[in-house]
Order: sequence, then C-alpha cells, then structure tokens
Amino acid sequence: AQSVTQLDSHVSVSEGTPVLLRCNYSSSYSPSLFWYVQHPNKGLQLLLKYTSAATLVKGINGFEAEFKKSETSFHLTKPSAHMSDAAEYFCVVTPREHNFNKFYFGSGTKLNVKP
Amino acid sequence: GAVVSQHPSRVICKSGTSVKIECRSLDFQATTMFWYRQFPKQSLMLMATSNEGSKATYEQGVEKDKFLINHASLTLSTLTVTSAHPEDSSFYICSARDVVGMNTEAFFGQGTRLTVV
Repeated sequence: AQSVTQLDSHVSVSEGTPVLLRCNYSSSYSPSLFWYVQHPNKGLQLLLKYTSAATLVKGINGFEAEFKKSETSFHLTKPSAHMSDAAEYFCVVTPREHNFNKFYFGSGTKLNVKP
Repeated sequence: GAVVSQHPSRVICKSGTSVKIECRSLDFQATTMFWYRQFPKQSLMLMATSNEGSKATYEQGVEKDKFLINHASLTLSTLTVTSAHPEDSSFYICSARDVVGMNTEAFFGQGTRLTVV
C-alpha cells in the first residue's frame, strides 16, 4: 500500500522567514517523490523531484527538499519566504510497484505569507 | 518544461447533458495521461489513467460509464462527463507524461471548472 501524508493543512509565515512544509510517505519500495505548487484556479507546477539520485533536491524559486528514508519523509523548505510563495503545495508519490505510473497526492498544505 | 493544454477552462452545462473536456500535450507525445478531480479546498483525486490506444484504467469508485475517457492519439485525451448532475460540478485537471519511469514528472493542464446547473 502507498500513501502520502501532509501533516499541516495550513502554514503561515512572515515574509523573509523560513518555510517548512512537511510530507511523509509510505510505500513498499523506494518511490519517486515530487512537490507541486498550485496557485488559485490554476494548474500545477513542478517545484522539484526525487528520483533516487541525490537525497537533497534543489528546485525552482529557492525551494529544496530532503529525502530521508529512515524517516520516510520528504519535507519542503525554503530559507526565506516571499509573498509570491503564497499558494497550495502538494507532495506527490509515484510508487515503484505501479511502475511509477500512478501519481498519488497528499492532502495539500496552504501556505500563507504575511507581510 | 513541457506544455499541457486543457480546454475549456470553464464550462457551465444543464443537468442531464454531456460535457467533453480536452487535454493536449503540445510539444511532446504523451504515452500516459491522467485525469483528476479536485473538490473545493481538497486535494486531487486520481480518477483514471489512460494509455494511448488502450482502455483507461479507472480508480475504485469512479464510474466508467459516467466518465468516458478516450486517448486516441499520443497528444490528445478527452474526458466526457455524461448525463451531468450538479454533484459532478468540480475542478477537473489532466496531466501527461511522455516516458514512463522514475525520472519523469507529469505535466499538468490548467484545469477545467465544470458547473452543472
């Protein structure tokens, strides 16, 4: 069985402060993991992906995520939040047992950035 | 990145009618396309996975006869909501990928807001 859990439905930070969005997964085998961002009434944009190469993955707009197998986590971070980062963020897992051909979404974390 | 175009972006239809949503990969050939449904303030729920030239694989609980998916070419998949009812009102999003494997992400369309009145 596979699933992905985003522990916080809402996160609020001040502009210029660090961002941490948490994601834990369960999968029988090492999956591929992704973070996507969705702005209101828009499609999804890929922020970064983990595909078993480096465990620390750098993405666009200053975001990065670290794959920790021992903790089954793939938390998304950014050193300094910008107002334009306010959006909904989804952690996504594609399990190896489905030949990486199914994308399962976490419940999403809405990031609010205060001025 | 690759572009996936979804059309229409918004549609309002009467209860009992059918609505077709198109999903096109503009600059790559999509061997696999996915259809999702997103309720307000909720995550995306995978409805079905389609591979070009074969029948779609539906997730548990998704009615095949209600949500008809056709993936007739490597650049086009369509979702038809048949005999639409107000409870079918939702945000539908498609995604596509060109090579199956660990390193390929899916590219998403902009979504279609369906309102059934």
